[in-house]
Amino acid sequence: AQSVAQPEDQVNVAEGNPLTVKCTYSVSGNPYLFWYVQYPNRGLQFLLKYITGDNLVKGSYGFEAEFNKSQTSFHLKKPSALVSDSALYFCAVRALDSNYQLIWGAGTKLIIKP
Amino acid sequence: ETGVTQTPRHLVMGMTNKKSLKCEQHLGHNAMYWYKQSAKKPLELMFVYNFKEQTENNSVPSRFSPECPNSSHLFLHLHTLQPEDSALYLCASSQEDATLNEQFFGPGTRLTVL
Repeated sequence: AQSVAQPEDQVNVAEGNPLTVKCTYSVSGNPYLFWYVQYPNRGLQFLLKYITGDNLVKGSYGFEAEFNKSQTSFHLKKPSALVSDSALYFCAVRALDSNYQLIWGAGTKLIIKP
Repeated sequence: ETGVTQTPRHLVMGMTNKKSLKCEQHLGHNAMYWYKQSAKKPLELMFVYNFKEQTENNSVPSRFSPECPNSSHLFLHLHTLQPEDSALYLCASSQEDATLNEQFFGPGTRLTVL
């Protein structure tokens, strides 16, 4: 079965430190991977995606993610965290034969402390 | 207005009521989605409309009834709901073509069923 796992319910990082939000996936065929962010009382906002090509993908707000095929991972990273990065982050994967469906992780709450 | 809008933002209803959620996308997309978001759970895809035809119905109870009168508008009609249907209902849209594009989300409707 196709699935996405975000193993951490919450990640706490001090402002200015690097951050990582983890995501692993299981799909048949080539994966298409996405990260979204959700601020309080808001809908989800697209951050970045991996379709093909360079394994390191750069996105909005200084975020980047690295696709690792052997580890089936797509971790979200940022070199220096801001308090305003505090939000809920979702990883999603879409398989070629999924007929528009994204498979979503349960989300990781990121808390950046001043 | 731009992006994806949803009304109402908050809705409280009794189990015997009938109400409707409305979504409108101003992006010229050709696919629209209804999702259910519950705390600490992955987003649940309820319905997908592509080119005004419903293409997915992920075993959603019949008390939820979607309507897509055109490619810009999507409704979710609610009747005889249960307290466990209380959640954030998100609408999204995307352009489905040869390019794998991200979904754009509305702010959601916070539904409480008493």
